[in-house]
Parts: sequence; C-alpha cells; structure tokens
Amino acid sequence: DSGVTQTPKHLITATGQRVTLRCSPRSGDLSVYWYQQSLDQGLQFLIQYYNGEERAKGNILERFSAQQFPDLHSELNLSSLELGDSALYFCASSVEIIDTQYFGPGTRLTVL
Amino acid sequence: GDSVTQMEGPVTLSEEAFLTINCTYTATGYPSLFWYVQYPGEGLQLLLKATKADDKGSNKGFEATYRKETTSFHLEKGSVQVSDSAVYFCALSKPTGGFKTIFGAGTRLFVKA
Repeated sequence: DSGVTQTPKHLITATGQRVTLRCSPRSGDLSVYWYQQSLDQGLQFLIQYYNGEERAKGNILERFSAQQFPDLHSELNLSSLELGDSALYFCASSVEIIDTQYFGPGTRLTVL
Repeated sequence: GDSVTQMEGPVTLSEEAFLTINCTYTATGYPSLFWYVQYPGEGLQLLLKATKADDKGSNKGFEATYRKETTSFHLEKGSVQVSDSAVYFCALSKPTGGFKTIFGAGTRLFVKA
C-alpha cells in the first residue's frame, strides 16, 4: 500500500458525459501527478501540481482539467468523454517537486 | 523531444535465469532515470533510480547503471524468481519548473517455475 488513495476504483459512463476522479496523496506529500495508461498510448504524464499550483503539463487534452485543493487532495475532471478516453488513470504523489513518486491503485474509466 | 525506448516484450524466463531489459533514452540536459514495476492490478512502484551519470541504482537484486555515453539504463537481475513477473517501465524525469516524467512502453516479464 503506497498511501495514495484514488476513488472511484471503477467508473463506467457514456460518451459526452463528464466525470471527476479523486486522489488523496500520502500524508505530508505536497506534489500530485496525474497519468493516463492505455493499451495504445502506454503511460502518459498529464499534469503535476505542487502545493495547490500547477507546475508541469504533459499530454493533457483541453477537455481535461485538474486542480489541487488546500487540503492537498486533487481532482481530475474529464469532460465530453470519448471512447478513446477509456483507460486507467493513476495519481502519484511526492514530498517535493523532484522526488520519488508513489502511485495510487488507479481508477479504471470505461466510456461506452 | 525527450523519449524513452525499451525492449519489446513479453520476456519469458525460467526461474533463476539472468534478466536484462534494455532501456535507452533521448533527452537534453541531465535527466534522472528510473525503473518502475507494475504488478497485476496494482499501481506502479519505484524499483530503483539514478540521478547522474555513472550512478548505479539497486534494489531487491535488481541493478541499473546510468550510462550517459550510450544514453542507456539497462535493468539487470542475476537470478529471477516467479514473483518478479510483472511489467517493468523505464522512465526519465527532468526539472522543467515542475517535474515531467516520460515513461517507456513497458516490458512484460513472465518467469516460469
């Protein structure tokens, strides 16, 4: 158990819908990262937050957005969902910006 | 842009065999290099890391050396066990204001008893 929690574990929704994935980092970790893992694209870095501020951006679509709240938990919002958004979404956390990342168990999103 | 290339899997070995999973990278600057492991149904776990050239990362019998001259970070283990069956990801990270991590495609390892 890494200490990073993600909810929900599974999510099934329809195209065009909007969903919110939630991540609670390890106690004391200030940095949160979001990743998308799919069969065809592999593991893609989406975005990083540090103490509430966005610090690095990867291959995140404009339909996706994220934020980190004052209690340091983070949410990833996915809107206008498409079939191709079906994937595993992982959250990771670390103490500082440049540090070992600890991954959560992931949220499996299925878009029908 | 920056990238990581790993050998394609799956790799199938017998227990106690020697393991090598090749990883090469392309990056400007001075990235840190990592190996992560993903067991079935779980998230990624850091296996080992190296932050500068010629550093050797090691953990649980696995080793990898940061070779800047060949831009490589090959993963090795002298004697694999069935419990090592998993997917292994090579990754690089660079400070870019934040800390952007780029992963390789992953290599699935099967170890037979």
